[in-house]
Amino acid sequence: GAGVSQTPSNKVTEKGKYVELRCDPISGHTALYWYRQSLGQGPEFLIYFQGTGAADDSGLPNDRFFAVRPEGSVSTLKIQRTERGDSAVYLCASSKGGSSYNSPLHFGNGTRLTVT
Amino acid sequence: GDSVTQMEGPVTLSEEAFLTINCTYTATGYPSLFWYVQYPGEGLQLLLKATKADDKGSNKGFEATYRKETTSFHLEKGSVQVSDSAVYFCALSESGGSNYKLTFGKGTLLTVNP
Repeated sequence: GAGVSQTPSNKVTEKGKYVELRCDPISGHTALYWYRQSLGQGPEFLIYFQGTGAADDSGLPNDRFFAVRPEGSVSTLKIQRTERGDSAVYLCASSKGGSSYNSPLHFGNGTRLTVT
Repeated sequence: GDSVTQMEGPVTLSEEAFLTINCTYTATGYPSLFWYVQYPGEGLQLLLKATKADDKGSNKGFEATYRKETTSFHLEKGSVQVSDSAVYFCALSESGGSNYKLTFGKGTLLTVNP
């Protein structure tokens, strides 16, 4: 079946601009996650949705970052007033919910964001 | 907070060589431990996992044993193949209310030459 789909695969934007990154999770997966992977680093947790609500947004770095999942399926990560330090690969993952041990995360290929 | 420290890469081996990638962790309580792998052009995928001390996770010829006394979860494979070339990430999740959240190491790039 289809895996987690992220669009676009690459996004180049100018400093100060607004960007939206989209994630289509695996059908039927109630849990959705965003992670950020900077160059030479492992993925870092940003936000976790269970259904439509953000159950944990403690990883969002500041108030320029926001994510929604209005119908409990597709999610959009929104970044306002982008800065060069926001350049990274943004990863989306989905699972059936619950612990990451019992419900493994399925990751998309990521969106590579470059802020010039 | 929780953290994972992985062996620095890159690692380059010849086919059929023995592989070890070291991973140690710092966590409160009893975390679950994972190895994720990212093949070229693909998303991260779970390779193996373990949830308690002395548990051994295994998959595709890879193994890792949860060692609480040394807070380690080293990845091993007896005979690597060219197709094992990938980036390997060690990760943990807490045992409590945030057990959905993964903390990753920096990753180790493995290249296997024929």
